[in-house]
Amino acid sequence: AQKVTQAQTEISVVEKEDVTLDCVYETRDTTYYLFWYKQPPSGELVFLIRRNSFDEQNEISGRYSWNFQKSTSSFNFTITASQVVDSAVYFCALSEVVVRGGADGLTFGKGTHLIIQP
Amino acid sequence: GAGVSQSPRYKVTKRGQDVALRCDPISGHVSLYWYRQALGQGPEFLTYFNYEAQQDKSGLPNDRFSAERPEGSISTLTIQRTEQRDSAMYRCASSLSPGILAGAGNEQFFGPGTRLTVL
Repeated sequence: AQKVTQAQTEISVVEKEDVTLDCVYETRDTTYYLFWYKQPPSGELVFLIRRNSFDEQNEISGRYSWNFQKSTSSFNFTITASQVVDSAVYFCALSEVVVRGGADGLTFGKGTHLIIQP
Repeated sequence: GAGVSQSPRYKVTKRGQDVALRCDPISGHVSLYWYRQALGQGPEFLTYFNYEAQQDKSGLPNDRFSAERPEGSISTLTIQRTEQRDSAMYRCASSLSPGILAGAGNEQFFGPGTRLTVL
């Protein structure tokens, strides 16, 4: 069965610090996708990134970067020069590739509550 | 519409009543998903559709929960004989292509959710 672990329940940093959110996953499939979603205080779920299991290149988008390492089953998310607006709950999620019409839903971690203090 | 919409946004009901939650996906999106999110937890997958066909309902907690998408667009999640433990945020998401064709992983766009409270 697939599983996503976000061991950090809550992280608090001062604005402009860098912060890394950890995500460790478990799956028996060789083909799968990993995601990060942001849930700000307003409650919506905002898609941030998707990564497939065959692409281990790190990705950078502005102040956000993601480090995917299959060897350690991790997909960590780093925010550089954090800002107060980054305060939110961040979810890591996993989806296995459907072969014969099986479940295609996302398995989410429990989330990391990130607090950026001014 | 521009995004996934859900109605009602808030629903308060008494134990034992039936409730119907509606999801209107992004226009043209083939796949539609239902999730349940308890306070302080990540969303939990319930079921999903490609077009009007329900692909997997193994995530539904019990037979009081059912979902349909009769015309391949709007979907309704129905909970019969509600119980207090059903209280949660119910979220709907849609994605452009069926996962089985494009490979699971087409990003899912979530609606604002329906906050269900069972008294």
